[in-house]
Amino acid sequence: DVKVTQSSRYLVKRTGEKVFLECVQDMDHENMFWYRQDPGLGLRLIYFSYDVKMKEKGDIPEGYSVSREKKERFSLILESASTNQTSMYLCASSLGLAGGPSYEQYFGPGTRLTVT
Amino acid sequence: AQSVTQPDIHITVSEGASLELRCNYSYGATPYLFWYVQSPGQGLQLLLKYFSGDTLVQGIKGFEAEFKRSQSSFNLRKPSVHWSDAAEYFCAVGAWGGATNKLIFGTGTLLAVQP
Repeated sequence: DVKVTQSSRYLVKRTGEKVFLECVQDMDHENMFWYRQDPGLGLRLIYFSYDVKMKEKGDIPEGYSVSREKKERFSLILESASTNQTSMYLCASSLGLAGGPSYEQYFGPGTRLTVT
Repeated sequence: AQSVTQPDIHITVSEGASLELRCNYSYGATPYLFWYVQSPGQGLQLLLKYFSGDTLVQGIKGFEAEFKRSQSSFNLRKPSVHWSDAAEYFCAVGAWGGATNKLIFGTGTLLAVQP
């Protein structure tokens, strides 16, 4: 079974703090994704990565950055947390293009971040 | 641009009743379609997917979905709902992200089950 784990289930941070959210997958997937989930808005893609050190902006990258130094690990960074970044953050992974058309994503349990 | 619409934000059904959750997509070519379920406080779990072939696909937990190209729909169904089906359901369509494949999600339908 694919396993995607996230470093924290719940996190409380103060405005202005630098926040790191970590995601690890154990299936050697090329692609990794960060989403935020808010009521009524569904899942919105923040950033994704298709290889080590490679990243692409999603639909809402402002205020976030990412890092992928190892294939299995994808970090989301909030450089200076703000209250409007209070949300559920979900990480996912999927196979890369070499295996043919593959869109299926496997999700971690999520991190509920509260910024006060 | 590709998009997914789930017109129902909340649905309440009685336990044992049938269920249909609606999903409409906008995509130029033959779509890759997915339904995911999210139980409270959890991540998303894949229920079923459609890539090609038979337009009626079976998934886990007794769910099925039917792809109708003429209606651009991929509705999720279950003949008899159980209390444990209370969750949020997301429809998604596969899309090209510029460097790799990605998913575009609908806004979700929250299902409540009455005893």
